[in-house]
Amino acid sequence: SQQGEEDPQALSIQEGENATMNCSYKTSINNLQWYRQNSGRGLVHLILIRSNEREKHSGRLRVTLDTSKKSSSLLITASRAADTASYFCATVNSSGNTGKLIFGQGTTLQVKP
Amino acid sequence: SQTIHQWPATLVQPVGSPLSLECTVEGTSNPNLYWYRQAAGRGLQLLFYSVGIGQISSEVPQNLSASRPQDRQFILSSKKLLLSDSGFYLCAWRRVHTEAFFGQGTRLTVV
Repeated sequence: SQQGEEDPQALSIQEGENATMNCSYKTSINNLQWYRQNSGRGLVHLILIRSNEREKHSGRLRVTLDTSKKSSSLLITASRAADTASYFCATVNSSGNTGKLIFGQGTTLQVKP
Repeated sequence: SQTIHQWPATLVQPVGSPLSLECTVEGTSNPNLYWYRQAAGRGLQLLFYSVGIGQISSEVPQNLSASRPQDRQFILSSKKLLLSDSGFYLCAWRRVHTEAFFGQGTRLTVV
């Protein structure tokens, strides 16, 4: 079954506002990762949070993880037009085959200047 | 430093023709390798992954196959393409429990 379902599917905000994207997953995980994809390009890794971590920061990015609810959120603060992209979460199972890296359907973020 | 090469960037192929997409990784050894497909405006569908030479796990039964003839080479193939094989194909590598690094993708259009 598919892991990592994001919501909302699409988000449109003004420059300077904060953007929050959520991700839910179904099984126990080893870690959860967030990626960014500009249109027509490969994905770029943003941040990885391990199952024993609750919050992680990287620049304007803040990621939280709630393993009891099997959910994560990505917050982009003080958004810029250059943040316009699709954002995906991905999970790695904690048991069984840890080779699989499963992505969700993504959130398309538009930041208006 | 590690790099990943995926080619070609775009490909237009007629229905029924064969396909071979190649992905190579440099600067690391024994990586996990992945092939994903992405439909327009959608998420990534895991097609195949490999944790070692000759070890291929197939996630979606379909018209495609994958091979890993060398440690850092991953090939996606088809004997006869279908219209439904059109999409954006992405190769990626990672070490266990770490982040993945992606190639720039191949836009395949089957006509």
